[in-house]
Amino acid sequence: NAGVTQTPKFQVLKTGQSMTLQCAQDMNHEYMSWYRQDPGMGLRLIHYSVGAGITDQGEVPNGYNVSRSTTEDFPLRLLSAAPSQTSVYFCASGTGNYEQYFGPGTRLTVT
Amino acid sequence: AQSVTQLGSHVSVSEGALVLLRCNYSSSVPPYLFWYVQYPNQGLQLLLKYTSAATLVKGINGFEAEFKKSETSFHLTKPSAHMSDAAEYFCAVTYFGNEKLTFGTGTRLTIIP
Repeated sequence: NAGVTQTPKFQVLKTGQSMTLQCAQDMNHEYMSWYRQDPGMGLRLIHYSVGAGITDQGEVPNGYNVSRSTTEDFPLRLLSAAPSQTSVYFCASGTGNYEQYFGPGTRLTVT
Repeated sequence: AQSVTQLGSHVSVSEGALVLLRCNYSSSVPPYLFWYVQYPNQGLQLLLKYTSAATLVKGINGFEAEFKKSETSFHLTKPSAHMSDAAEYFCAVTYFGNEKLTFGTGTRLTIIP
C-alpha cells in the first residue's frame, strides 16, 4: 500500500491565484481530513469528510473548498490564494478506530 | 470544547537520559488522547493512543504514556533517549464517536550526544 499520498510537495503561488492540492489514500478509509501546520500553532483542521459525498468544516475553513466524490480522493482547493495561506498542508485518513495516517505534506508559499 | 496544552516548546535531554514530554488536557467529556511524532520534513506518525482502556499505554519505539484523570495529564515518557528520538511531538485529544483531532502546539525534542 502507498498509504496517503499528496501532490505537489512544494508550490509557490501569487496572491489571487487558485490551485488544488491533491490527496489520495489506498487503505479504503472512510474518514479523511486536511490540516494546516504553522510554526508555534500545531495542526489546525481545515475540512474533513466521513465518507464519499459528505464533507464538513473544521476550525479554519475560510478560503478553502473540498469535495469527496470517491473514497480514495479528497482534494483541497484554494479559491484565491492569500499570503496568510502560506503553510504546510497535511492530508490524513482515519481507520475508524481513532488512528489517523498522515501524508508527507505540501509546502505552499503565497507571495 | 476540548484542548490540550503542551508545556515546553523545546526540550533537550542527553542521550541515555529519561525523556518526559508534558501534555495536559481540557475536556467536558471523557477524552481519548494521542501522541504523534513528526520527523523532519515528514508527516505525523501515531506513537500511542488512550481510548479508555488501560491508563498506562505503551507505544512504538519504547515510548509510553499514562492517563491521569485527577491531574488531567497524559505525559509521554521513554526511559532512555536515543539520537533517533529527535523530532517534534504532538499531543492530541478527541472523544468517543469523533474522529476529529485537536492538537497541541508541539514539543521539539533535541537529543544531546
